[in-house]
Amino acid sequence: QSVLTQPPSVSGAPGQRVTISCTGSSSNIGADYDVHWYQQLPGTAPKLLIFGNNNRPSGVPDRFSGSKSGTSASLAITGLQAEDEADYYCQSYDSSLSGSVFGGGTKVTVL
Amino acid sequence: QVQLVQSGAEVKKTGSSVKVSCKTSEDAFATYASIAWVRQAPGQGLEWMGAIMPIFGSPTYAQKFQGRVTLSADDSTATVYLELTSLRPDDTAVYYCSRQSVTKGPYFHYWGQGTLVTVSS
Repeated sequence: QSVLTQPPSVSGAPGQRVTISCTGSSSNIGADYDVHWYQQLPGTAPKLLIFGNNNRPSGVPDRFSGSKSGTSASLAITGLQAEDEADYYCQSYDSSLSGSVFGGGTKVTVL
Repeated sequence: QVQLVQSGAEVKKTGSSVKVSCKTSEDAFATYASIAWVRQAPGQGLEWMGAIMPIFGSPTYAQKFQGRVTLSADDSTATVYLELTSLRPDDTAVYYCSRQSVTKGPYFHYWGQGTLVTVSS
């Protein structure tokens, strides 16, 4: 059971917009710690997609955006493309555990 | 370009230990950068194990792994090590090192290629 809760899967047609939720608690997201997002393609290491809630590292398309409110955060992918088919993980810091915590991951399928 | 290069796959017996290395760019040892370790069991999600700031050599560990994991750093080779003892079959996973950055809390900016550790009885 992950500390941060994500839906196991989401899907959408090419060109559509999909969102992935990440729900935490008062000891992590709700404690004002930032939320970060990673994309993991099959058989590869995770890649940083969004840091500090809504910032994209250099090279990440602006189709990816993040937001945070209260004890939850969201990742949005607009203009969905076949290459976006991957697993996505949210991550934050938890003060009760004194360490980083991840969501269980969401598999995005492009129909 | 930050690069992290990890050691190769390992096959271990239950009860034994494994030591995985992660060679970093030298500036990780000259700045306040931290190197974290994250593992991923087959078909499962990501799990943070701990982190070390090589310039100080001071590690922090996830509560789950306290007593079984040791992180260390060798500044002569710019290499960070993860040692996990008393291995069990459920320790079978890909182990990643990552260069950590910080905003309001840490995040994992650059990743190694991963090291598969297989534990069999």
